[in-house]
Amino acid sequence: KQEVTQIPAALSVPEGENLVLNCSFTDSAIYNLQWFRQDPGKGLTSLLLIQSSQREQTSGRLNASLDKSSGRSTLYIAASQPGDSATYLCAVNFGNEKLTFGTGTRLTIIP
Amino acid sequence: DTGVSQDPRHKITKRGQNVTFRCDPISEHNRLYWYRQTLGQGPEFLTYFQNEAQLEKSRLLSDRFSAERPKGSFSTLEIQRTEQGDSAMYLCATQIGNGSPLHFGNGTRLTVT
Repeated sequence: KQEVTQIPAALSVPEGENLVLNCSFTDSAIYNLQWFRQDPGKGLTSLLLIQSSQREQTSGRLNASLDKSSGRSTLYIAASQPGDSATYLCAVNFGNEKLTFGTGTRLTIIP
Repeated sequence: DTGVSQDPRHKITKRGQNVTFRCDPISEHNRLYWYRQTLGQGPEFLTYFQNEAQLEKSRLLSDRFSAERPKGSFSTLEIQRTEQGDSAMYLCATQIGNGSPLHFGNGTRLTVT
């Protein structure tokens, strides 16, 4: 079964620190992987998309990496800010034209 | 580009009633997806369209659920004879083609009492 796991479920970090969010998936034959942010009661905002052939993508303070052989992706957030507090979701396209989501990591940045 | 629009934002209904949700995609996005999300979980795939063709339906989508995209633009998701277990956030997402980023609307939160 194709599954996506995100651990931990929640994380609290003091403002200004760098942090890493983890995502693991069961099938290395992926098409692409996408990281999203979700604020309470809202939809999902796309952060970064990594294609199967890529190792990483960067956007501002965010950097996402992909290691297909180990079935892992990380989202690195530099110099965290209180506005970064949200739930971060990892989603994998296993080549079946839809995304399979993890359950997310709820991030709290402490001022 | 006004983003993916969903209506209504919230819907409270009594068990047994029918409800219909609407999604307006980003223009020129030919793929449209419906997902369902419950508290503390990631979104779960329900169904998707390529233009007006419905290409896949999840086993989560019982026969009480039906989705349409009649002209390849907006889509509707109807739930008949609602049950309390249908209470969830229903999310619509669109993309310009397979492999491109998926863009989500703000969802419709359904509460069945």
